Amino acid sequence: GAVVSQHPSRVICKSGTSVKIECRSLDFQATTMFWYRQFPKKSLMLMATSNEGSKATYEQGVEKDKFLINHASLTLSTLTVTSAHPEDSSFYICSARSPSGVGYEQYFGPGTRLTVT
Amino acid sequence: KQEVTQIPAALSVPEGENLVLNCSFTDSAIYNLQWFRQDPGKGLTSLLLIQSSQREQTSGRLNASLDKSSGRSTLYIAASQPGDSATYLCAVPITGTASKLTFGTGTRLQVTL
Repeated sequence: GAVVSQHPSRVICKSGTSVKIECRSLDFQATTMFWYRQFPKKSLMLMATSNEGSKATYEQGVEKDKFLINHASLTLSTLTVTSAHPEDSSFYICSARSPSGVGYEQYFGPGTRLTVT
Repeated sequence: KQEVTQIPAALSVPEGENLVLNCSFTDSAIYNLQWFRQDPGKGLTSLLLIQSSQREQTSGRLNASLDKSSGRSTLYIAASQPGDSATYLCAVPITGTASKLTFGTGTRLQVTL
């Protein structure tokens, strides 16, 4: 099946710094990727849709200046958490829809655990 | 607004039992429904995708059914094994979209020896 990777798998940063998370589709091209956030013992919440070659679209309540998304190529989307604060600590997961997948099946990356101290 | 609920929130069964996980959604106008598995601290593994025109899908010991009109799906796991222990999530596209997913709250399954 289609494989999506994320890097890093976990990161610890100091408050006020910025952190970049990469999401790659390894064996397929993805014009659209999605970024989700998951709090402990909670379900996933969609943050934004990453579109190759155009601006990302953000869900209501998500600060686009805080969470910068760049879809640089058909296999890479990045999420940058700017001026991170402890409340940004969370599990961030990306997904992509494989063009060969039947009916919009999505494949998820392994996630990135962000801890802001 | 689409809302997805899963019951039970947690379930513990002995190895070998068959079990059913439930998922309900409020807006029946969906493109599809997808079941995922999440191990602690890990990403999601897609288990089954059911198209809106389908009533069920099977993969190995897993069988998922979909009843759009009543807004329900079930995931049936046959002959459960300790390796099945994980959180199971169902997800449907946000109303009016095909790919932006909204997730249920999950069922945490523990299969004991």
